[in-house]
Amino acid sequence: AQSVAQPEDQVNVAEGNPLTVKCTYSVSGNPYLFWYVQYPNRGLQFLLKYITGDNLVKGSYGFEAEFNKSQTSFHLKKPSALVSDSALYFCAVRDMVYGQNFVFGPGTRLSVLP
Amino acid sequence: DTEVTQTPKHLVMGMTNKKSLKCEQHMGHRAMYWYKQKAKKPPELMFVYSYEKLSINESVPSRFSPECPNSSLLNLHLHALQPEDSALYLCASSQVTPGQGGNMQPQHFGDGTRLSIL
Repeated sequence: AQSVAQPEDQVNVAEGNPLTVKCTYSVSGNPYLFWYVQYPNRGLQFLLKYITGDNLVKGSYGFEAEFNKSQTSFHLKKPSALVSDSALYFCAVRDMVYGQNFVFGPGTRLSVLP
Repeated sequence: DTEVTQTPKHLVMGMTNKKSLKCEQHMGHRAMYWYKQKAKKPPELMFVYSYEKLSINESVPSRFSPECPNSSLLNLHLHALQPEDSALYLCASSQVTPGQGGNMQPQHFGDGTRLSIL
């Protein structure tokens, strides 16, 4: 069965510092991996995805993520955090074999402090 | 602005009422989804439509009835709901890549309908 873990419920970072939001996954085949962000009273917004190829994926709003197959991880990163990045972040996975299902991690709340 | 539009934004209904949630997209996506989201939790998949046909029903109670009248519209009909059904209901859509089941395509979400059952 597929699963996604986000080991930190909450991440606090000072504005201007680099940020990392962690994600690990478990799938039966090769994964399709996604990051989404949710602001209060809004739907989920797509940030980036990993399908195949380069392990460093660049996405929207200056975010990037690093795919590590040996560690089954897909951590979200940004070199310099903004207060406006404060939101709820979800990692998600689709299994290439069993595919239509889209499994979300539990979410990580990011707070960027001014 | 999101490209998936959901109406209404808020809905309060009694347990005996019948109401419908509406979702519309004009991106040409042929897969559409309904999710239920409780506060501070991830979305839970309810239904998936692919080419206007129901392809996944995640054991959702029959008091929730989905409908996909055409490729741009998705409805969720509600009847005799329970207080625990109060949640944010999210609609999403995605492209479907022929031969690959649309696995690699991201889903685009609306801003949801916040439903409260009295």
